[in-house]
Amino acid sequence: DGGITQSPKYLFRKEGQNVTLSCEQNLNHDAMYWYRQDPGQGLRLIYYSQIVNDFQKGDIAEGYSVSREKKESFPLTVTSAQKNPTAFYLCASSASPGPQHFGDGTRLSIL
Amino acid sequence: DAKTTQPNSMESNEEEPVHLPCNHSTISGTDYIHWYRQLPSQGPEYVIHGLTSNVNNRMASLAIAEDRKSSTLILHRATLRDAAVYYCILKSSGGSNYKLTFGKGTLLTVNP
Repeated sequence: DGGITQSPKYLFRKEGQNVTLSCEQNLNHDAMYWYRQDPGQGLRLIYYSQIVNDFQKGDIAEGYSVSREKKESFPLTVTSAQKNPTAFYLCASSASPGPQHFGDGTRLSIL
Repeated sequence: DAKTTQPNSMESNEEEPVHLPCNHSTISGTDYIHWYRQLPSQGPEYVIHGLTSNVNNRMASLAIAEDRKSSTLILHRATLRDAAVYYCILKSSGGSNYKLTFGKGTLLTVNP
């Protein structure tokens, strides 16, 4: 079945450590997105990419980095510069135009 | 971005219809009204969207006011699986296809 796969489901990070969250889609969508969700809140956009080798900052990009070397993949790195990384991270993709399709998320916690 | 206002929570009984309201008084002529829902510990799921006319699909119906300043998502027969947070979002048809701005949504509880 076509869809978005995020891995791992749960991730733990030590202080000062970078971690990378994986997002893969087989929907042949051009656009991909990363959101962050804190408890009881809506989603906030971190980064988005409309085509391969191009991406733009969203509303809360500080402390995060991304790459888009392949159409199917849009990994997110949470760097040590992100002071409050504990959150639920969601990846999405969309055709243009079209609704966004979301993965099941990665829950990141600090040890 | 134009803003939407939704009740924090609503409650319904199983097999009864549910009407989820959304106010968007500053909507522009090019804004589509999108609805997504998020089940616990999952990513959001697209439900329906519309511009001016009422819309129906297998999941729900969307009723849009004539002045477009409000809309209502209708679940015709609620089931326990419909318990979720429902988000009403405005998305411009112009420009880039990005940036869904999520508010806190409406938490729907369905009682058996």
